[in-house]
Amino acid sequence: ETGVTQTPRHLVMGMTNKKSLKCEQHLGHNAMYWYKQSAKKPLELMFVYSLEERVENNSVPSRFSPECPNSSHLFLHLHTLQPEDSALYLCASSQETLTSFYNEQFFGPGTRLTVL
Amino acid sequence: ELKVEQNPLFLSMQEGKNYTIYCNYSTTSDRLYWYRQDPGKSLESLFVLLSNGAVKQEGRLMASLDTKARLSTLHITAAVHDLSATYFCALGGATNKLIFGTGTLLAVQP
Repeated sequence: ETGVTQTPRHLVMGMTNKKSLKCEQHLGHNAMYWYKQSAKKPLELMFVYSLEERVENNSVPSRFSPECPNSSHLFLHLHTLQPEDSALYLCASSQETLTSFYNEQFFGPGTRLTVL
Repeated sequence: ELKVEQNPLFLSMQEGKNYTIYCNYSTTSDRLYWYRQDPGKSLESLFVLLSNGAVKQEGRLMASLDTKARLSTLHITAAVHDLSATYFCALGGATNKLIFGTGTLLAVQP
């Protein structure tokens, strides 16, 4: 595997289900991100993890719960979602340093989530 | 409120023509990124612009950054069908956070 991978690629779930999205980066990066892409809206940054520590949480509802067990893996745990949460969820990674904000982000293919 | 605005939102152009996509932003920054997204696919990094006056070119695409005007442009030269996609600009700041524009859907017609 190369780059950033995400599983599953497609997910349909009911509002009472619990599911998890998985992201893995094979680039040796130290920062990972979750974005939400809805139709006709800009990409919304949800969470940022840098060196496995959550550094950003953009007022995301608690029904979304991220987990970063190590610098290569990122999860998004979902529970009691709403239909408006249906979207493409993108994971990204970048290499951050204390002296450089070059931070080109590399994106995974996304998980297309449908909440019924 | 930090805003990143792209225009046009939709662009239909004929093959062989030239056009420019504009990205305006509301706060100072010296880092601007352009991404491409094909339907159902992820975002592919096109250009990273790191300073005022930066210009980068790849094939038929050329990106520039004017930090004083808070403006970046993506110029398309002699468009071909393969360039049909959605193009996003994204603004970088003092952290590793990117703010994305709304995207420009480009459709190149034969």
